[in-house]
Amino acid sequence: GAVVSQHPSRVICKSGTSVKIECRSLDFQATTMFWYRQFPKQSLMLMATSNEGSKATYEQGVEKDKFLINHASLTLSTLTVTSAHPEDSSFYICSARLADSTDTQYFGPGTRLTVL
Amino acid sequence: SQQGEEDPQALSIQEGENATMNCSYKTSINNLQWYRQNSGRGLVHLILIRSNEREKHSGRLRVTLDTSKKSSSLLITASRAADTASYFCATEEKLVFGKGTKLTVNP
Repeated sequence: GAVVSQHPSRVICKSGTSVKIECRSLDFQATTMFWYRQFPKQSLMLMATSNEGSKATYEQGVEKDKFLINHASLTLSTLTVTSAHPEDSSFYICSARLADSTDTQYFGPGTRLTVL
Repeated sequence: SQQGEEDPQALSIQEGENATMNCSYKTSINNLQWYRQNSGRGLVHLILIRSNEREKHSGRLRVTLDTSKKSSSLLITASRAADTASYFCATEEKLVFGKGTKLTVNP
């Protein structure tokens, strides 16, 4: 099956620093990747849709200058949380959709971000 | 806005019993998907059902879809302790998730 990895799995950083999270589709090409955020005991909230070679589309209320998304290749998308604050602490999950599919998304294992 | 709403929010059963979870949604859909999430982990895709389908099976999973009632159900038969997880339904390609049903299967 399609495998998506994320790196790092956990990161702790100081307030004001920037953190980059990588999302990779390991055995398939993904023209579209999605970034979600999940707070404890809450659902996943879509943050942005990332299309290879073009600018990401952000959901309402998500600051594009704070959450920088780059999708430079068909197998890699990165999310950079800039000037992180404690309220950015969350579980960030990416997903990737097969290049020839409009349906199933395959999810990464998630990245736990803690901002001190 | 949130599209899928799962019911119940929490369910605790004994191993071997069946577990049924329901999902309601608000607008017309092309497909509905069910996912499982183990605590602190990513999501695993379980099954996709299209709007023109009424029922679909995959192993011990059975999903139904009633577009007139805008609802879907997920049935897990002969549950196992390993089925303990949160289950989410999601609609459309952007996957708007509900809050999930937390299933606990007691050995």
